[in-house]
Amino acid sequence: DIQMTQSPSSLSASVGDRVTITCRASQNIRGHLNWYKHKPGKAPKLLIYGSYSLQSGVPSRFSGSGSGTDFTLTISGLQPEDFATYYCQQSYSDLTFGGGTKVEIK
Amino acid sequence: EVQLVESGGGLINPGGSLRLSCAASGFTFSDVYMTWVRHAPGKGLEWVGRIKSKTNGETTDYAAPVKGRFTISRDDLKNILYLQMNSLKTEDTAVYYCSTLKWLGLEVFDYWGQGTLVTVSS
Repeated sequence: DIQMTQSPSSLSASVGDRVTITCRASQNIRGHLNWYKHKPGKAPKLLIYGSYSLQSGVPSRFSGSGSGTDFTLTISGLQPEDFATYYCQQSYSDLTFGGGTKVEIK
Repeated sequence: EVQLVESGGGLINPGGSLRLSCAASGFTFSDVYMTWVRHAPGKGLEWVGRIKSKTNGETTDYAAPVKGRFTISRDDLKNILYLQMNSLKTEDTAVYYCSTLKWLGLEVFDYWGQGTLVTVSS
């Protein structure tokens, strides 16, 4: 099974900050990497698919990059509604989530 | 409107069995790959397993921690997805969600239910 490791597991940031979350796969997954935002009591929401493609309706402050084993989610200009837990997820071989990164208010 | 409604959760002793259901509406259920995801207290999301559509053989795949103990099935006439859980362990305690999978050049999780809580404890 492919393992996905996210870092950091949590971070504190202020509104307007640029935030970067990384995700590493245990083997080459090419570009088969998605990012989700999850708030308590709500369904996870797809942000980025295929490493860098922005899902329809998602603000352009979200961006993704990477290929192979190393991937990044960047939020450029953190907004109050962005405080949540973010998960990477691979679709190269079966499906696996990363451990999550909780973005908290500083 | 797409709706996914899970049911069947509850408190169960270790070693016991439980069957979860997910009633689907608002889309052509038989055409869609379906999946189960769980969220244990204080932990991250964990994929449990997937079932493909009938036209793709209704084949199933499972995450390593549940392989051999959990079975996913579907009833395309009733639009219901099932998760049969046997030999339950305390570490299976979680909220279980059903979700649809969508193809965007790769599989992505699309619609989600509200979840049903399974607690494995003596």
